[in-house]
Amino acid sequence: ETGVTQSPTHLIKTRGQQVTLRCSSQSGHNTVSWYQQALGQGPQFIFQYYREEENGRGNFPPRFSGLQFPNYSSELNVNALELDDSALYLCASSSLTSGRRDTQYFGPGTRLTVL
Amino acid sequence: GQNIDQPTEMTATEGAIVQINCTYQTSGFNGLFWYQQHAGEAPTFLSYNVLDGLEEKGRFSSFLSRSKGYSYLLLKELQMKDSASYLCAINTGGFKTIFGAGTRLFVKA
Repeated sequence: ETGVTQSPTHLIKTRGQQVTLRCSSQSGHNTVSWYQQALGQGPQFIFQYYREEENGRGNFPPRFSGLQFPNYSSELNVNALELDDSALYLCASSSLTSGRRDTQYFGPGTRLTVL
Repeated sequence: GQNIDQPTEMTATEGAIVQINCTYQTSGFNGLFWYQQHAGEAPTFLSYNVLDGLEEKGRFSSFLSRSKGYSYLLLKELQMKDSASYLCAINTGGFKTIFGAGTRLFVKA
């Protein structure tokens, strides 16, 4: 158990809809990163939030957006869903102040299916 | 460009030793992670190498050579529960981490 939680566990949406995924980071962690993992692939970096600001972004279109809240929890929003958005969405938290400053701890993920 | 290469699949026998290799070419390098991921679950942290050399942690060891862009994960005394995907990942700067596609390890009796 990493202390990182995500909700919901599973979600089914149709093309064109919008979805919001949520993540609560491990206590003491101030940074959250979001990843998309397609079946049989490694996680792909979407973006990272540090102290409520976007701190870096991967090669994902603007319809992928996020928020981080003062308690360091985070949301991932995806608009205009496409079939290819079907994947496991992982949230990972980390901290600049911990002994292992760069280690990320993953939540259990949200399995999104777009029909 | 950014490139991380790992074998797609490996098979080994219970009780044996297996070495999973990872080669990389990235625009930045702060450190190299190994994660274990069982099917349908989140990746779990195994090791993080920043400096060259071997780090041992119980049955698992990880090696890094920054000049060669090469790492390996060594698993000893294999157990059936070690059947999983093993992900090599590079911290390219700040907290941006790039993952390889992973190596699926099958442990047979």
